Amino acid sequence: NAGVTQTPKFRILKIGQSMTLQCTQDMNHNYMYWYRQDPGMGLKLIYYSVGAGITDKGEVPNGYNVSRSTTEDFPLRLELAAPSQTSVYFCACQTSGGARGEQYFGPGTRLTVT
Amino acid sequence: QKEVEQNSGPLSVPEGAIASLNCTYSDRGSQSFFWYRQYSGKSPELIMFIYSNGDKEDGRFTAQLNKASQYVSLLIRDSQPSDSATYLCATGDNAGNMLTFGGGTRLMVKP
Repeated sequence: NAGVTQTPKFRILKIGQSMTLQCTQDMNHNYMYWYRQDPGMGLKLIYYSVGAGITDKGEVPNGYNVSRSTTEDFPLRLELAAPSQTSVYFCACQTSGGARGEQYFGPGTRLTVT
Repeated sequence: QKEVEQNSGPLSVPEGAIASLNCTYSDRGSQSFFWYRQYSGKSPELIMFIYSNGDKEDGRFTAQLNKASQYVSLLIRDSQPSDSATYLCATGDNAGNMLTFGGGTRLMVKP
């Protein structure tokens, strides 16, 4: 099993461009999350989903959109990229059952906006 | 606004010593508490969780929780250079849907 995969690994965007960060999990977990991590900082929750068709905002949703059409995929869309969105983006999943809080993270996407 | 506070460090300890990492949280409704380890350039991985007041031990790791003081700590015994990483404290909401992370403490274990 691959666990949680993210593409691309690295990306440089120009201000005003748009892109989609892909996240796929093969763990059959209902809950999925997008975080951003700025240098030397902790993780900030952008959006999360508790199942296909259900999404909700986290702490820092502005400038981002998500969709969840399947259990496996949870893409994050950046519209009109800004330098403030330069960060490392992590996708994670979590079972809806007993081990709440044990989140499995993908390898991350390092995004630079210039 | 839920907050989880950690000293950013670095915390430097010699090999074989006990490393003590601390975390305070603002939300008294927090029900679950987690320690994640993150090596430089890598993604976080869960190393300990604790739900009840007191101590929980797993190998060289001990998590301690004091809900009255809103304080959670992680002790690492017999610290090894391979323990050098950033340790993230996180609290879970009542529903178990979301985690709030602290900024992390960087630990350096010197041979």
